[in-house]
Amino acid sequence: GIQVEQSPPDLILQEGANSTLRCNFSDSVNNLQWFHQNPWGQLINLFYIPSGTKQNGRLSATTVATERYSLLYISSSQTTDSGVYFCAVKGFYTGKLIFGQGTTLQVKP
Amino acid sequence: DSGVTQTPKHLITATGQRVTLRCSPRSGDLSVYWYQQSLDQGLQFLIQYYNGEERAKGNILERFSAQQFPDLHSELNLSSLELGDSALYFCASSSRAGATNEKLFFGSGTQLSVL
Repeated sequence: GIQVEQSPPDLILQEGANSTLRCNFSDSVNNLQWFHQNPWGQLINLFYIPSGTKQNGRLSATTVATERYSLLYISSSQTTDSGVYFCAVKGFYTGKLIFGQGTTLQVKP
Repeated sequence: DSGVTQTPKHLITATGQRVTLRCSPRSGDLSVYWYQQSLDQGLQFLIQYYNGEERAKGNILERFSAQQFPDLHSELNLSSLELGDSALYFCASSSRAGATNEKLFFGSGTQLSVL
């Protein structure tokens, strides 16, 4: 099956800093989503982005499908950005969304 | 609020017992997914239902079963519980099962602790 690798596994930032999270996947995908799991455990859908670039406020994401990776950019980070960021993909021959292991982000005030 | 409701939020039980987790999808969503999140395995897909029928199966143990009812709510039944079943169990729903642009919306999860 498809393998999803996220890096870095852990990230500590000072408030106001920018960061880039990466997601590599081992096969072609037709669906890629980024999720944020907040400290209370809630999983929130950030982006649906199988290709191209999208922006939502301080967050943006880019997926280069031909090179099998996606990037999540967080600018001017805030303490409320803390939590775990997951990349999840679905391949052409599977109906299930496969999650990476996540990047744990801690933003310090 | 995602619109997906899971109950109970927390469940503490003993080994060997059986529990039922409940999920109500977003209004209008026909598809329900169950995921298990543990520290060592991450987020693992268990099973998917679409309009009452099983659509896909993942790493679901034989001791676990699920169903989706005519009103579209779903239940995940876990039996002969073991310590290793302690995890956060998520339900997610979507309106476009199988579509390439399908987006999943997750409930807040049920934290199961097996003692």
